[in-house]
Amino acid sequence: RKEVEQDPGPFNVPEGATVAFNCTYSNSASQSFFWYRQDCRKEPKLLMSVYSSGNEDGRFTAQLNRASQYISLLIRDSKLSDSATYLCVVNGYNAGNMLTFGGGTRLMVKP
Amino acid sequence: DVKVTQSSRYLVKRTGEKVFLECVQDMDHENMFWYRQDPGLGLRLIYFSYDVKMKEKGDIPEGYSVSREKKERFSLILESASTNQTSMYLCASSLISQAQETQYFGPGTRLLVL
Repeated sequence: RKEVEQDPGPFNVPEGATVAFNCTYSNSASQSFFWYRQDCRKEPKLLMSVYSSGNEDGRFTAQLNRASQYISLLIRDSKLSDSATYLCVVNGYNAGNMLTFGGGTRLMVKP
Repeated sequence: DVKVTQSSRYLVKRTGEKVFLECVQDMDHENMFWYRQDPGLGLRLIYFSYDVKMKEKGDIPEGYSVSREKKERFSLILESASTNQTSMYLCASSLISQAQETQYFGPGTRLLVL
């Protein structure tokens, strides 16, 4: 089983749609969770951290379910500019408790 | 804004060549990282460094070495490049020695080994 697993997609959605991604992680001791966004041929950038209580930033909502070991990202009212790959990131796997990245979920928002 | 720069955006090398990839950050970050990114495999950590002259192996250090002589600069070295090292290489830095801190990435170097 992969340490951090995501559906690679692509998710093809129309503008204005609501779309949700899940990510599962295997290490129950993980403490830090993030969603990063990566545009085509660009570097990853932090989208948002994921807290135990969940958090919201505008159209984006992140949730953590420790019991089932998954995190989710919900995007409401999708924009064309949301088209990107979304990387799930978790700590606690490798030496130094560093971050482990999932393979990413590709989102394509169509007009 | 944090800026992380990498010496080359694209690089083409031959099998057996020694390859240097350089990364510089301008925010006095203690931590620096080298990853490679391959389709279907995501980002994988090669090496990281907590401080000057300190280095730690990541998940896939074989075939690579690193050097951190100055705080702002972290170099990745391929002693003898092989075709399976063709990849996108990403450098990142973060402020403190905890995984919780945000990592800032450079633009990446696409390396092709022929």
